[in-house]
Amino acid sequence: DAGVTQSPTHLIKTRGQQVTLRCSPISGHKSVSWYQQVLGQGPQFIFQYYEKEERGRGNFPDRFSARQFPNYSSELNVNALLLGDSALYLCASSPKGVRDGYTFGSGTRLTVV
Amino acid sequence: AQTVTQSQPEMSVQEAETVTLSCTYDTSESDYYLFWYKQPPSRQMILVIRQEAYKQQNATENRFSVNFQKAAKSFSLKISDSQLGDAAMYFCAYMRSGAGSYQLTFGKGTKLSVIP
Repeated sequence: DAGVTQSPTHLIKTRGQQVTLRCSPISGHKSVSWYQQVLGQGPQFIFQYYEKEERGRGNFPDRFSARQFPNYSSELNVNALLLGDSALYLCASSPKGVRDGYTFGSGTRLTVV
Repeated sequence: AQTVTQSQPEMSVQEAETVTLSCTYDTSESDYYLFWYKQPPSRQMILVIRQEAYKQQNATENRFSVNFQKAAKSFSLKISDSQLGDAAMYFCAYMRSGAGSYQLTFGKGTKLSVIP
């Protein structure tokens, strides 16, 4: 079975632009979460979606938004990019229960110049 | 708010030896989950081991085991018979139980080097 897949793997954007990152969860997983990992830090929670509904949001500005589609894939959108948005963006999926932890993708490396 | 602290930015271990990575956390919850994730240069976070707070027995997964001290809010990871493939960043993470958002709170990580 395929794992969590994210696209693109690398991305370079200019300040002020908008970006869309994509995530496909493991088949059968209905929950998708997004995390931002700045270099040298642990991942920080951005969003969680379950059954297409937002279930949680971290301490990020409104420039960050996300959605989940009927096939449980998800998109993370970031508007008006800042240099500080440069990071590795990780997507993680889980079945309804989270007792076994999340399965992560390999991330999208976003560089804002 | 919950916080997770990993006080060892870097650790090294000789191949075949044992190493222990430290993690402490702060929470007012009584029921929660704790995890150790491994992040190799490939960037993917890989679940190493998990512990449910209501279970007193320490979790083990092959060469990996934890020392869970609930009262002290401590959750250390022991790696036995270290292998070259164990070299990676290791992150301790917390997740509260119950309904609502299941978000992971991570520490800053410990970089583990394995010396041949």
